[in-house]
Amino acid sequence: EPEVTQTPSHQVTQMGQEVILRCVPISNHLYFYWYRQILGQKVEFLVSFYNNEISEKSEIFDDQFSVERPDGSNFTLKIRSTKLEDSAMYFCASRLGEYGYTFGSGTRLTVV
Amino acid sequence: GESVGLHLPTLSVQEGDNSIINCAYSNSASDYFIWYKQESGKGPQFIIDIRSNMDKRQGQRVTVLLNKTVKHLSLQIAATQPGDSAVYFCAEKQKAAGNKLTFGGGTRVLVKP
Repeated sequence: EPEVTQTPSHQVTQMGQEVILRCVPISNHLYFYWYRQILGQKVEFLVSFYNNEISEKSEIFDDQFSVERPDGSNFTLKIRSTKLEDSAMYFCASRLGEYGYTFGSGTRLTVV
Repeated sequence: GESVGLHLPTLSVQEGDNSIINCAYSNSASDYFIWYKQESGKGPQFIIDIRSNMDKRQGQRVTVLLNKTVKHLSLQIAATQPGDSAVYFCAEKQKAAGNKLTFGGGTRVLVKP
């Protein structure tokens, strides 16, 4: 069964450093998402991406965040200057049509 | 405002019994609902979905019921097994909101042997 692949599974970074979280969505999917989950809390929407541009973003997705689809397969989330409160699980998701979201296993980001 | 919430944070169930997990949503514009299972350290795993033009959908050992009148969603797991122990989230999609998913807070299901 096709999967959404995320790397790395765990990233530790120092406060103020830049991090790039990587995702390989399912190959024929057209819509891409980033969500995050702070420990013990619910999954929160960050950003959606379609046709090589952001289609929607949440209040969490401020100027420190950016997304990119640098080639035909990868979808990245960059945090320019990490803060302690950015520590969370970050999930990538993709879908083809109106339904059928598939999530990756996540990247655990720890900011120290 | 939009919100999706769960009534019970933890549900303990005896192996072999049926489980019922509930979810309330507040936005009548939601047209699609999904139940996810999340095991420790893993991403949300799709269980079953239902569109707003339906009130019941069945899968393998799982049934989702949608009551649009009271904006309530439930997940029934038949003959609960130890492997069903996890956190369960409901999520809703609103077409007008760019097809993003809004998640509820989660219910932890503990299956006792």
